[in-house]
Parts: sequence; structure tokens; C-alpha cells
Amino acid sequence: NAGVIQTPRHKVTGKGQEATLWCEPISGHSAVFWYRQTIVQGLEFLTYFRNQAPIDDSGMPKERFSAQMPNQSHSTLKIQSTQPQDSAVYLCASSLEWGGEQYFGPGTRLTVL
Amino acid sequence: GEQVEQRPPHLSVREGDSAIIICTYTDSATAYFSWYKQEAGAGLQLLMSVLSNVDRKEEQGLTVLLNKKDKRLSLNLTAAHPGDSAVYFCAVSDDTNAYKVIFGKGTHLHVLP
Repeated sequence: NAGVIQTPRHKVTGKGQEATLWCEPISGHSAVFWYRQTIVQGLEFLTYFRNQAPIDDSGMPKERFSAQMPNQSHSTLKIQSTQPQDSAVYLCASSLEWGGEQYFGPGTRLTVL
Repeated sequence: GEQVEQRPPHLSVREGDSAIIICTYTDSATAYFSWYKQEAGAGLQLLMSVLSNVDRKEEQGLTVLLNKKDKRLSLNLTAAHPGDSAVYFCAVSDDTNAYKVIFGKGTHLHVLP
């Protein structure tokens, strides 16, 4: 079991460019979560999918951020027109069921210049 | 909404000493309590979880105490060793939205040899 896989591990974009982050949850896990981690804000919940359906995106910035889960084997977090304040580590987690233990991936460190 | 305060933000102890990290929360409906460890460049690793009906849990040199009256959760690492050096996060969620985990800001633990 490879655990939760996130790619790329590091991404550098210029201001205004688009960034797409990928997450492959653990096989058989029905829930997928996205978090953002910064020094100032700590770990912030962004969004949650259950059985590929979006359940709660209350943590997602209303503009420029979107998340999808087109199939049970991967989810994407897309940030359009990236800004320096989007620089953070984006963590993906999956769990076997909706309230179960969350297993985290290593994260993608996004740097917006 | 739920507020979680974690202290101390930084902690240095000598090898063999104990290290105690404390979190306080505000929502009395909080039902799930967890501690995570994050090593450099890695995701979060779940150390231990307790439900609200548990006051104390010990596993492999770790002790979690839950004081519901004071809304306080603590993690005690007995006989810390250099491999315990990492950032530790407490995390809480309630029954209604068990998936929506609120994290503390983290404690950087440094165990000196």
C-alpha cells in the first residue's frame, strides 16, 4: 500500500498562472479531503468528497479555487490565476469512511513568485 | 465555531525526559480527539485518537488525557528520544461533522540527545 500519493511534490508558478495539484487516495477509501497548510494559518480544511461527490467545500476560497474528483482513484485541486498568498503546502487525505481516520499524503508545496 | 488553542508552540527537552503538549477547545459538542505527528517534508501521521467517553489512553510511550470539564486535551511523550523530534498537532471534530477536523497550530518538539 503506497499510501496517499500527491504530485507534484513541489510546484513553482508565476503570478497569474494556473496550478493543478493531484491526489491519489488509498485504494478503497471513499472519502478524500484537501487541506492547506501555512505558517500563519496552520492547517485549514478546504474541501471534502465522499464517493467522488463533493460534500463540503466551505473552506475553499470562492474565487480561483476548484476541486474535482472525476473517478475514485484521483482528485485534483486547481488554482487559477495564482497569487503569492496562495503559496502553501496543500495536503490531501483519504479515509475509509466519512468519519474515520484520515491518512495524509506528503503534500504539494506550491510557491507563487 | 470551534476554536482550538495549542501550546507551547515550541518545546525542547532532553532525551529521556517527558514532553507535554496541551490543547484547549471551545465546543462542548466536540466528540473526537486526535494527535498527529508531522516530520519534515512529510504528511501528518495519526498517533492516537480518543472519543469523548475516554479520559485516558496509553500506547507505546504516549499518553493522551482528556478533561472534558476544562475542555483540555494533552499529549505526554514519556522518555522522549531524538526520533520524536517533529511537529505535533491536536485535532478535534464533532459528531455532526466528524470529517471536518479542526487542527491546533502545532508544537515544534525538539529532543536533544
